[in-house]
Order: sequence, then C-alpha cells, then structure tokens
Amino acid sequence: GQNIDQPTEMTATEGAIVQINCTYQTSGFNGLFWYQQHAGEAPTFLSYNVLDGLEEKGRFSSFLSRSKGYSYLLLKELQMKDSASYLCAVRVFKAAGNKLTFGGGTRVLVKP
Amino acid sequence: DARVTQTPRDKVTEMGQEVTMRCQPILGHNTVFWYRQTMMQGLELLAYFRNRAPLDDSGMPKDRFSAEMPDATLATLKIQPSEPRDSAVYFCASGLRKASADMINEQFFGPGTRLTVL
Repeated sequence: GQNIDQPTEMTATEGAIVQINCTYQTSGFNGLFWYQQHAGEAPTFLSYNVLDGLEEKGRFSSFLSRSKGYSYLLLKELQMKDSASYLCAVRVFKAAGNKLTFGGGTRVLVKP
Repeated sequence: DARVTQTPRDKVTEMGQEVTMRCQPILGHNTVFWYRQTMMQGLELLAYFRNRAPLDDSGMPKDRFSAEMPDATLATLKIQPSEPRDSAVYFCASGLRKASADMINEQFFGPGTRLTVL
C-alpha cells in the first residue's frame, strides 16, 4: 500500500504564503497530484507533478522530489476563499491500471 | 460548462435497505471512478471503469457493493443491504484517457451523494 502523510491543519493570514508538505512511501510511483476541496463540496484538481521540480500555476505552485518521497503545495497571496482542505494524492502503476491514493488532507484556515 | 452529475444528492435510509447512487460522467470521458469519503478514512477509491469495463474494484466490499456502467452516460453504485458504517459521501469522478497517453491527469468530481444509514 501507500503511506501518505500531510499535516492535519494549518492557519495563515490573508496575503501571506503557506506551504503544505506531503510525504509518501510507495512503489510504482507515477505522479503526485494536489486537489482542493471546500467544505461540503467536491475536490477540484489543482496540480500534477511527475518529474522533479517546481510547477507554477498562478498563485499556486507544486514541488516534487521523487528521491525524497516529498512534495509541497505553495499558496501565495492568500485569499479568504483559499480556506479549504488540500488533498495530496499519489498515482501508482497497477496491472489493472493507474489509480490514485489520497492523503487525509490538510485543512487551511485563512484569517483576515 | 460540462460537469459530472450525481443523484441523489442526499439519501437517508434505514439499515438493510438497498441504496442506488447514479452518476453521469462528462460527455466523452471514458474513465469513471467511484470514491467514498469519511472523516476517519478520508477519500478512498472504491472502483473504476474504462470504456465501461471495470478495471479495479479492489477497494469495494464485494459482499454488499456493486458498481456497473450500463451505458457510457450512466454509472451506478449499489449497496445491498446497507449498514450504518456505509454512511459517507460518495463521489463519482470522470476523466478522459487519450489513445496517445498512458493515463489521465485530471479527474473531474461530481458533487457527491451524502448517504446516511440509520
């Protein structure tokens, strides 16, 4: 199976930066994903890394180090609407097809 | 604006009853996933289909759960008989795996069905 660890909760101030770390242990690694989920809503795709390095998408960036089994999601210029849970997910090769395993999620609370 | 739709949005039922949840994937998507989310377990994959064929249902309790895709526009998840521990939000997601790619990179989630089994 896969072990995916991320902090349960983080608090940050509007306009600031927050970094959400995710560590994983898996065999057959085939990509790392970040999803955002507002309370009571469905997860929505944020980013995807399969190679080492940083992927930037507007205010959000995601970093991957495969050798360390480590990723982070960086949220810049925080806005109140960024208050949500952020789910780290690992995709692995499977004979039957690739599948995602999600971490428990990090609840981010943005304060004024 | 193409979206995954799910019905019902909320379902309250009594233990032992049959529950059927439906999902309409985004038109043209060829891969459909069923997930279950609880506070304790987080988001777990139950089953997924490609081109209507089941690829992996190892996350699904086989004795009471069944998943099917009668056609390309409908996926169903059935629980019979339901138990209180099945109470959760059930999400359907769809994606498009192109012939030129090995996998899909983005899954589009439906709004979920909140199931409460009393």
